Amino acid sequence: DTGVSQDPRHKITKRGQNVTFRCDPISEHNRLYWYRQTLGQGPEFLTYFQNEAQLEKSRLLSDRFSAERPKGSFSTLEIQRTEQGDSAMYLCASSRTGYTGELFFGEGSRLTVL
Amino acid sequence: KQEVTQIPAALSVPEGENLVLNCSFTDSAIYNLQWFRQDPGKGLTSLLLIQSSQREQTSGRLNASLDKSSGRSTLYIAASQPGDSATYLCAVSVDTGRRALTFGSGTRLQVQP
Repeated sequence: DTGVSQDPRHKITKRGQNVTFRCDPISEHNRLYWYRQTLGQGPEFLTYFQNEAQLEKSRLLSDRFSAERPKGSFSTLEIQRTEQGDSAMYLCASSRTGYTGELFFGEGSRLTVL
Repeated sequence: KQEVTQIPAALSVPEGENLVLNCSFTDSAIYNLQWFRQDPGKGLTSLLLIQSSQREQTSGRLNASLDKSSGRSTLYIAASQPGDSATYLCAVSVDTGRRALTFGSGTRLQVQP
């Protein structure tokens, strides 16, 4: 299967710890997006990469959050000094420039902060 | 700012019924609209994509329509089955470079056997 892959699927951590999520997009998809979803809500946009360049960050992405996409392939999302309010599903999606614009999502990484 | 609303928030129907899920958006300058399905604790599965120049798309028992000028889309599910039980999300991408999606809160569908 060559879909979007996310790891880990579930992370439980204590408040104040750092966590990192990884996303492997569909190969040859040059656009990569991170979203956050809380219970009962639709996903909210966090940030967007085209190749290795981070072109936009939502104001939801506080200073404790950082995302990278070295070499324009996989991406990581790191949350420092986690807070209980960070508990959510973190979803990654990818798409291809100049195509239909259809986004393909991974299975998500669920974060629980105790 | 684009806002997407989905009505109803939850829906329960007996197996075999045809049903319609509604989605409205405030800014008609969209690039495309996607309907997704999400099972509990899972990621999003793309169901249908409608480009802004299109009126509808069909896939199996699913039909999605788009009225861009009025800011509305509907997802029609024919002959519903218990396996259709899930949350259905509507999302639009605005006509700017990043093509990121703005989502509604979803309609939680339960099909009773």
